Amino acid sequence: NAGVMQNPRHLVRRRGQEARLRCSPMKGHSHVYWYRQLPEEGLKFMVYLQKENIIDESGMPKERFSAEFPKEGPSILRIQQVVRGDSAAYFCASSPMAGLVIDEQFFGPGTRLTVL
Amino acid sequence: AQSVAQPEDQVNVAEGNPLTVKCTYSVSGNPYLFWYVQYPNRGLQFLLKYITGDNLVKGSYGFEAEFNKSQTSFHLKKPSALVSDSALYFCAPYGQAGTALIFGKGTTLSVSS
Repeated sequence: NAGVMQNPRHLVRRRGQEARLRCSPMKGHSHVYWYRQLPEEGLKFMVYLQKENIIDESGMPKERFSAEFPKEGPSILRIQQVVRGDSAAYFCASSPMAGLVIDEQFFGPGTRLTVL
Repeated sequence: AQSVAQPEDQVNVAEGNPLTVKCTYSVSGNPYLFWYVQYPNRGLQFLLKYITGDNLVKGSYGFEAEFNKSQTSFHLKKPSALVSDSALYFCAPYGQAGTALIFGKGTTLSVSS
């Protein structure tokens, strides 16, 4: 059973470009979370999604950031018009049935975004 | 507000000695507490969790953690440290909504040979 997959592992963008980060949850998991880890900081929650639904986006910046988890295919975190402050490691996690708080979240290897 | 604190940025211990990584939390309602470990340039790996029941929780790689409700603590422990345990450790409670883990800056554990 493959773990959580993220691609690309490394992404370099110039200021003003768009960044698309992909996450495929573990098989059988229908709940996806995105976290951001800035240098020298812990992980900060961004958004929680189920298939075709955004459940909690309280940690998502109001502008330029969006996320989706379509019925088919991976979850996508999209950052428009990137700025240098967006440079960070973005981690995706999945769980089988969120809302049952006993479930641990399984993390992917992360995508390291560098904005030049 | 939900929060977590790991008071030590770094813990240094010699191989073979016991180790403790401290964690205190502040949550409303019942606490659901997790420990994760992160190796360089890798994702987080689950170590153990406290949901209910026995205050001493055993997890992966010989780690255990003790839940103390009165002190709102959930310290991570291991009787005998290995050099390979050197990594960044995160204590993370679930937030009030039960959907997101709350992470602090973590504690870097360095085990010397």
